[in-house]
Amino acid sequence: GPKVLQIPSHQIIDMGQMVTLNCDPVSNHLYFYWYKQILGQQMEFLVNFYNGKVMEKSKLFKDQFSVERPDGSYFTLKIQPTALEDSAVYFCASRQGGDTQYFGPGTRLLVL
Amino acid sequence: GDKVKQSPSALSLQEGTNSALRCNFSIAATTVQWFLQNPRGSLINLFYLVPGTKENGRLKSAFDSKESYSTLHIRDAQLEDSGTYFCAAYNTNTGKLTFGDGTVLTVKP
Repeated sequence: GPKVLQIPSHQIIDMGQMVTLNCDPVSNHLYFYWYKQILGQQMEFLVNFYNGKVMEKSKLFKDQFSVERPDGSYFTLKIQPTALEDSAVYFCASRQGGDTQYFGPGTRLLVL
Repeated sequence: GDKVKQSPSALSLQEGTNSALRCNFSIAATTVQWFLQNPRGSLINLFYLVPGTKENGRLKSAFDSKESYSTLHIRDAQLEDSGTYFCAAYNTNTGKLTFGDGTVLTVKP
């Protein structure tokens, strides 16, 4: 089926540094999402993005978070500065016009 | 979370047996997705459902929007079925996919 790619698969950084998580969504998809999953817990919605704009964000999407997709390249999630509680697996998802969201394999972020 | 409640939270099955997982919604859901998160952490799409039923191999799922629940039936469980099963409710108005807490399934030989 359709594949969403995420780069890198793992990232370890020091608290306070900036990190950018990259998502390569399915090529003809229009809607993009980030979710956060702390180890052993449920998946939680962070943000959705359409037509170059944030459509909706949750309370987990702190001021230190930002998303963009410059010129149809990667859909990115940037965290600046990072905090210890940002350690989690971050999943990107995309969909076309229908409702099925396709998820990437996740980026495992560890903030030390 | 409370908005999407999955049951049971954990389940152990003998290989070859059948079982059912359930998802109750306290939010408006227009469609439902079921996922399997394998031990490596990857999310595998199992079903996308409008109200009604779907079947795929040993899996069958139903979504009743009026009664606000969905079920996932597993027939003839295999070892590779082990993992965490998540249901997620999608609301077209909000554009959000809200996940349940998951059911951890262990299939034993």
